[in-house]
Amino acid sequence: EVQLVESGGGLVQPGGSLRLSCAASGFTFSKYWMSWVRQAPGRGLEWVANIMPDGSDKYYVDSVKGRFTISRDNAKNSLYLQMNSLRAEDTSVYYCATNRTRLVYWGQGTLVTVSS
Amino acid sequence: QSALTQPASVSGSPGQSITISCTGTSSDVGAYDYVSWYQQYPGKAPKLMIYEISNRPSGVPDRFSGSKSGNTASLAISGLQAEDEADYYCISYTTSRTVVFGGGTKVTVI
Repeated sequence: EVQLVESGGGLVQPGGSLRLSCAASGFTFSKYWMSWVRQAPGRGLEWVANIMPDGSDKYYVDSVKGRFTISRDNAKNSLYLQMNSLRAEDTSVYYCATNRTRLVYWGQGTLVTVSS
Repeated sequence: QSALTQPASVSGSPGQSITISCTGTSSDVGAYDYVSWYQQYPGKAPKLMIYEISNRPSGVPDRFSGSKSGNTASLAISGLQAEDEADYYCISYTTSRTVVFGGGTKVTVI
């Protein structure tokens, strides 16, 4: 059974940092593109970033470029999102998901709240 | 990276058919067949309903179908059921190698 479990969310002050993790199991993690998608409270889904299977290529939505970094450790079957210089508008539930547009498997999400 | 345009809401009676549009540009929807659709219930993770314009993952009822014409993709739901009441999102790959979501459509079964 495929499982994606996000962790690392919480309350952080504006300008602060947080590192999200996504533990994957039940599939060959190293063969798949992986994505982060977020959803602000009461709002729609927003694609944040994705990363190639070997980690060599990464893409970001403009609003997080230079602040967020997506990475992966295929030996640990884990995906990460390092979030720096956080802003109130980054407050969202963050989901990890398999693939780029055919997002078949999703985690349950982890809530990030940016507030003073 | 502007969001794809979806109607905010669509409604229909049980048994009816509805269509949700997803309008982009020649740099996203019009450029590739990498358009997918997702269903989301409140407080739950999204579920893939259609991928690559018109393909259904196993387990998705054939009441759901997808199509594309030019820069606009569409999701059709026939034989509307109460359980179809949810939010629906389209997503497309772009020529910048990024991905963009639509704003979402709330489907109400009246």
